[in-house]
Amino acid sequence: EVQLVESGGGLVQPGASLKLSCVASGFTFSDYWMSWVRQTPGKTMEWIGDIKYDGSYTNYAPSLKNRFTISRDNAKSTLYLQMSNVRSEDTATYYCTRAADAWGQGASVTVSS
Amino acid sequence: DIVMTQGALPNPVPSGESASITCQSSKSLLHSNGKTYLNWYLQRPGQSPQLLIYWMSTRASGVSDRFSGSGSGTDFTLKISSVEAEDVGVYYCQQFLEYPLTFGSGTKLEIK
Repeated sequence: EVQLVESGGGLVQPGASLKLSCVASGFTFSDYWMSWVRQTPGKTMEWIGDIKYDGSYTNYAPSLKNRFTISRDNAKSTLYLQMSNVRSEDTATYYCTRAADAWGQGASVTVSS
Repeated sequence: DIVMTQGALPNPVPSGESASITCQSSKSLLHSNGKTYLNWYLQRPGQSPQLLIYWMSTRASGVSDRFSGSGSGTDFTLKISSVEAEDVGVYYCQQFLEYPLTFGSGTKLEIK
């Protein structure tokens, strides 16, 4: 069974950094592009970016490119999202996805002082 | 960016009736390879989104044949025949023709 489990969310102050992780199981992680998508409290879905199966290439939403970094460790079947200088508008549930066909349960991030 | 615009449903929809959800893109999603780069998702209450349809009209694994996708290059429809209680939730369309990938704002389905 394909499973994606995010962790690392929580309450963080504006301007701080946060790193989310997503552990994959049930498939060969190194064979797939992986993505991060977030959903705001108002239920708007926003694609953050993706990373090639070998980690050699990434794409980002232009509005997030300067603050968010996606990486992966294929040996650990783990996807990461490094968020820096977070803002209140980054408050959302963050989903790890395998292409489009598998989603994690989401990690909630709240940015507030 | 490609803008995805979704229509609303005349909720609630009577159980057993059909429902059609529309989605429009600001640019054609039809690639020169003949494929249309559109996905449909369902997010049930309290759950993560799940893929229903990809390439505009191909059902994802395990998805009921009550769900069907159709459309042209810019206008798309997700049809649910004979809606059931388990179909309740928010439906999203998404284009994956070009970066950044973009979603519609969602269409809520309620059942009567």
